[in-house]
Amino acid sequence: RKEVEQDPGPFNVPEGATVAFNCTYSNSASQSFFWYRQDCRKEPKLLMSVYSSGNEDGRFTAQLNRASQYISLLIRDSKLSDSATYLCVVRGGYALNFGKGTSLLVTP
Amino acid sequence: IAGITQAPTSQILAAGRRMTLRCTQDMRHNAMYWYRQDLGLGLRLIHYSNTAGTTGKGEVPDGYSVSRANTDDFPLTLASAVPSQTSVYFCASRDFQSREYNEQFFGPGTRLTVL
Repeated sequence: RKEVEQDPGPFNVPEGATVAFNCTYSNSASQSFFWYRQDCRKEPKLLMSVYSSGNEDGRFTAQLNRASQYISLLIRDSKLSDSATYLCVVRGGYALNFGKGTSLLVTP
Repeated sequence: IAGITQAPTSQILAAGRRMTLRCTQDMRHNAMYWYRQDLGLGLRLIHYSNTAGTTGKGEVPDGYSVSRANTDDFPLTLASAVPSQTSVYFCASRDFQSREYNEQFFGPGTRLTVL
């Protein structure tokens, strides 16, 4: 079983929609949590860290539930430029464990 | 411009050939990593190095070797390439000492095809 599980999608949503991605992780000792964004054929880039109290960065809100080992990302007022693959990432030690990614396509 | 560079950008290689993928960072980060990314499998860690002079095995190390002679360079070698090593390879680095120590920076990737 992969350590980080995500719904691969694709999620096709119209501009302006709100979309939510979910992720679960198996290692209860995991220390840090992130969402990365990856555009087609490009390198992954950090979108935001995820804190236990929840955190927001503009239109993006991340939540962490340690008891359920569950992470979420909410994107409000979707833009065309939000189209990408979103990777749920967990650190349990020396390196990052990546989910397979959730594909988002925002349409006009 | 600070960051991570990888070379080559892409390569087509005959099976059985030896190949070294180059990775250089100018951010003086302690840790460096090699990942491969395959459709349906996501990013998987091949090897890592927490500091110059040390290396460790990741999730999928077989068929690959690395060295870390200095802080900046972390080459990945395929001793005898096989078609299953066809993939996109990403190098990454992280700085343990910085405020943003959790962020991992990635290079632009090398697209390798083994025929």
